[in-house]
Amino acid sequence: SQQGEEDPQALSIQEGENATMNCSYKTSINNLQWYRQNSGRGLVHLILIRSNEREKHSGRLRVTLDTSKKSSSLLITASRAADTASYFCATDWRPGNTGKLIFGQGTTLQVKP
Amino acid sequence: GAGVSQSPSNKVTEKGKDVELRCDPISGHTALYWYRQSLGQGLEFLIYFQGNSAPDKSGLPSDRFSAERTGGSVSTLTIQRTQQEDSAVYLCASSLAGTSGGTDTQYFGPGTRLTVL
Repeated sequence: SQQGEEDPQALSIQEGENATMNCSYKTSINNLQWYRQNSGRGLVHLILIRSNEREKHSGRLRVTLDTSKKSSSLLITASRAADTASYFCATDWRPGNTGKLIFGQGTTLQVKP
Repeated sequence: GAGVSQSPSNKVTEKGKDVELRCDPISGHTALYWYRQSLGQGLEFLIYFQGNSAPDKSGLPSDRFSAERTGGSVSTLTIQRTQQEDSAVYLCASSLAGTSGGTDTQYFGPGTRLTVL
């Protein structure tokens, strides 16, 4: 399977703390994306990082990518209760140049108020 | 503007019955994807439509599963002779082009929760 793995599977923190989630994948990629899912329903795109980028920021989100280790991390700073959700990384399907994505198993984040 | 919509939002059926799940993608999006998500699991790719090309059916788990996309817009996922292991949330997503080496943002619908009794 080309599917990635994420850790931890579950994370519980207090509001205001930082949350770090990790994603590992198996094949070479063009890009890696992070998505968020509330209550087991539709996913929302958060951020995309290209294979030639090492770090990217968007508001309270910071994503890093290490292609030599085939891993990425998502950092949420100053977490809020509203950040409680599941977070998934997704990589493009290789070989080939299509829009298909491979999703990891996800990290469930609980932020306690 | 309207996002991706799916219907029904919930479907309960009996083992052995056929079900049809519908997805309305964002207007103008040429790529459409179906995924399945079992309880507490990640997304499992099922099928992918890109424009007028033949669909990529490599993720369909068995020949009981099929999908079509009419007029390059609405898609229907059909599951024949449903089994209990088919119970899951079925998610549809669309993207603008689908050929950009994974740079397309996928926009997801709210999903259809299928329960097979």
